Amino acid sequence: GAVVSQHPSRVICKSGTSVKIECRSLDFQATTMFWYRQFPKQSLMLMATSNEGSKATYEQGVEKDKFLINHASLTLSTLTVTSAHPEDSSFYICSAIGLAGGQETQYFGPGTRLLVL
Amino acid sequence: GQSLEQPSEVTAVEGAIVQINCTYQTSGFYGLSWYQQHDGGAPTFLSYNALDGLEETGRFSSFLSRSDSYGYLLLQELQMKDSASYFCAVDTGRRALTFGSGTRLQVQP
Repeated sequence: GAVVSQHPSRVICKSGTSVKIECRSLDFQATTMFWYRQFPKQSLMLMATSNEGSKATYEQGVEKDKFLINHASLTLSTLTVTSAHPEDSSFYICSAIGLAGGQETQYFGPGTRLLVL
Repeated sequence: GQSLEQPSEVTAVEGAIVQINCTYQTSGFYGLSWYQQHDGGAPTFLSYNALDGLEETGRFSSFLSRSDSYGYLLLQELQMKDSASYFCAVDTGRRALTFGSGTRLQVQP
């Protein structure tokens, strides 16, 4: 089946630094990828929709200048958390849409756990 | 706004059957998905219903009633490894998913 990878799986950084997270679709092309965030014991919340070749679409309340998204190719989207602060510590999960049995299915990456000190 | 309601916790014993309900109120509806998430892991896809009725995949089945804005996930022959959080999620037409709050299933021996 379709596989989505993320790198790094875990990152610890100092407050004020920037962190880049990569999301790759390994065996299929994805014109659209999604970035979600999940705080402990909470649900996944959509942050933004990443579109290949165009600007990302951000959800209400998500700062586009803080969470920079670049969909550089049909298999790669990156999320950069700029000037990270402790409140940005969370589990960041990307997803991409692939086909399963002729039907569109959203496949999730393994997630990146960010801890900002 | 969008809302999906699920029970927060369910406990059952090995070998039993458990049903996790999901009611939704969304501005659009194209289908209801179910995902499993183990602690520290990412969600994994379980099932999808776009039309009314029951979809069966092995020990897991999912049901949808669009007229009632209601669905459920049925887990049969429970195993210890089924202990996880289960999320219902709606595709509102934007292709991104709106997730429920999740149900934590604890399977006991």
